[in-house]
Amino acid sequence: QKEVEQNSGPLSVPEGAIASLNCTYSDRGSQSFFWYRQYSGKSPELIMFIYSNGDKEDGRFTAQLNKASQYVSLLIRDSQPSDSATYLCAVNIGSSNTGKLIFGQGTTLQVKP
Amino acid sequence: GAVVSQHPSRVICKSGTSVKIECRSLDFQATTMFWYRQFPKKSLMLMATSNEGSKATYEQGVEKDKFLINHASLTLSTLTVTSAHPEDSSFYICSASGTFTDTQYFGPGTRLTVL
Repeated sequence: QKEVEQNSGPLSVPEGAIASLNCTYSDRGSQSFFWYRQYSGKSPELIMFIYSNGDKEDGRFTAQLNKASQYVSLLIRDSQPSDSATYLCAVNIGSSNTGKLIFGQGTTLQVKP
Repeated sequence: GAVVSQHPSRVICKSGTSVKIECRSLDFQATTMFWYRQFPKKSLMLMATSNEGSKATYEQGVEKDKFLINHASLTLSTLTVTSAHPEDSSFYICSASGTFTDTQYFGPGTRLTVL
């Protein structure tokens, strides 16, 4: 069973702090990793994707990937109340070319003013 | 870029009727489209994967005769919930990905309420 695991939270951080969201996955063959943000009652929105080990930065967001440890994380710098949402980690199925992604349960982030 | 639309955004229907939901990729060719449903405070549940011009592949436990999926063009897929019942009430979301990529872009979702 391919799995993606996230701590459901809620993760509460003060405004301006760094929020760190973590995700582990079980499929060693996975090559593509995604972070989506989902506001309550809305559909997921792509934040960023990462394919290679290391860090990838986009504005206030940094994705970190460690394939050896099967671990991917998302850092949000200077957190704002508008960042309060559920963050979904998604991983492709390494052995399949269907394009299907396995989603974690999501981590709820609360940024307090 | 990578905009996906869904229509309708919200639908209320009587039990026993059929409801069609459209998913369109507006600025790219979607070789693969995915249909998900999501219950309140739960994660996404993949229902089926559809490739343009092919029959959809349904996930285990999803009734293909109840949830009819058509992907007739590279920009349009439809989900028809046949003979809907109250337990089918949910948030249905489509996503689309283009050629040689597994990045999925989501539509805004359709909230279905069956009375």
